Amino acid sequence: GAVVSQHPSWVICKSGTSVKIECRSLDFQATTMFWYRQFPKQSLMLMATSNEGSKATYEQGVEKDKFLINHASLTLSTLTVTSAHPEDSSFYICSARDSRERGNQPQHFGDGTRLSIL
Amino acid sequence: AQSVAQPEDQVNVAEGNPLTVKCTYSVSGNPYLFWYVQYPNRGLQFLLKYITGDNLVKGSYGFEAEFNKSQTSFHLKKPSALVSDSALYFCAVRGSGGYQKVTFGTGTKLQVIP
Repeated sequence: GAVVSQHPSWVICKSGTSVKIECRSLDFQATTMFWYRQFPKQSLMLMATSNEGSKATYEQGVEKDKFLINHASLTLSTLTVTSAHPEDSSFYICSARDSRERGNQPQHFGDGTRLSIL
Repeated sequence: AQSVAQPEDQVNVAEGNPLTVKCTYSVSGNPYLFWYVQYPNRGLQFLLKYITGDNLVKGSYGFEAEFNKSQTSFHLKKPSALVSDSALYFCAVRGSGGYQKVTFGTGTKLQVIP
């Protein structure tokens, strides 16, 4: 089955630090990946759609300069939280769509990254 | 705009009893509907989907869901609940026309009581 690897799974760092999260599709190519943020006991909030070789599409209200997304290859997208502050603490999840699959197929999710900013 | 409603924040059911997790949706055109399950500190795992065809869809771990077009519902069901089914369940919808984003519901926590 399609596997998405997300790394790291848990990050604790000081305020002001920049944190990079990687999302890799291990056994398929993904021209499109998605980054979500999940608050406790809440649903997933789509932050941005990552497109290989082009700029990411950010959702309304998401700061582009705060959450940098790079999708440099067909199997890797990265989310960098720049100058992180305690309010950025959250659970971040990526998902990927297999380029070979039609749009009516489910997304494949990573296991998420728990980010805690002290 | 498309939307998904999961009216219950939490559903409690005794082990061995049937369970239902409710989902209603709103979308332009024909819907693509999905159910995912999330265990603590994990990503979402796909359970089942409805694209077209038979209204009763069977998925992983004995789960099934029934697509009801007139009621715009896609409730998740299982005949006999297991303690290991306790998790957070998300319903999601996507319109069938062109490229459209997937919209997730707010999630329903299922608690199966031994």
